[in-house]
Amino acid sequence: NAGVTQTPKFRVLKTGQSMTLLCAQDMNHEYMYWYRQDPGMGLRLIHYSVGEGTTAKGEVPDGYNVSRLKKQNFLLGLESAAPSQTSVYFCATAGGPPGKLFFGSGTQLSVL
Amino acid sequence: DQQVKQNSPSLSVQEGRISILNCDYTNSMFDYFLWYKKYPAEGPTFLISISSIKDKNEDGRFTVFLNKSAKHLSLHIVPSQPGDSAVYFCAASALRSQGNLIFGKGTKLSVKP
Repeated sequence: NAGVTQTPKFRVLKTGQSMTLLCAQDMNHEYMYWYRQDPGMGLRLIHYSVGEGTTAKGEVPDGYNVSRLKKQNFLLGLESAAPSQTSVYFCATAGGPPGKLFFGSGTQLSVL
Repeated sequence: DQQVKQNSPSLSVQEGRISILNCDYTNSMFDYFLWYKKYPAEGPTFLISISSIKDKNEDGRFTVFLNKSAKHLSLHIVPSQPGDSAVYFCAASALRSQGNLIFGKGTKLSVKP
């Protein structure tokens, strides 16, 4: 079992470009999350989903959109990338609260 | 406003000694607390958790202590090993508000041989 797989692992974008980060899980978990980690900032929740077809905003949702069309996939989109979105992005899953998460290995995104 | 605070960015400990990582929180609605460990270029991995109805939880070399009156928790690692060198994140959850985790900024632990 792969667990939680994120693609791509690295990406460089120019300001204004768009891209989609894919998170795939084979754990049959209902809950899925997108976090970003910035130096000295810990992990901050961008968006999350409590089940197929549902999404909700987290702590820092601006500039991002998400979709959960299939239970196993959670997509994070950047419509018009900005340098402030340079970060490491982590996807995570959980069978439900209270919060034991399983994380992917991360996507390093640089926006120039 | 930080709801979960890890005030020590780094900690250095000798192999075999005890490592104590601290975490403070401000939200009295938190009812579940967790510690995650993160190696470079990897995602965080769950280490240990504690419910607010307990004051101690132990798992091998790792023990988490919760002091609700002080809104403080700590992670003890005994004995510390070089492989424990990593960044440790404290996190808290309030089940009545979706149960989403709020993370601290992390403490980088270095265990020296």
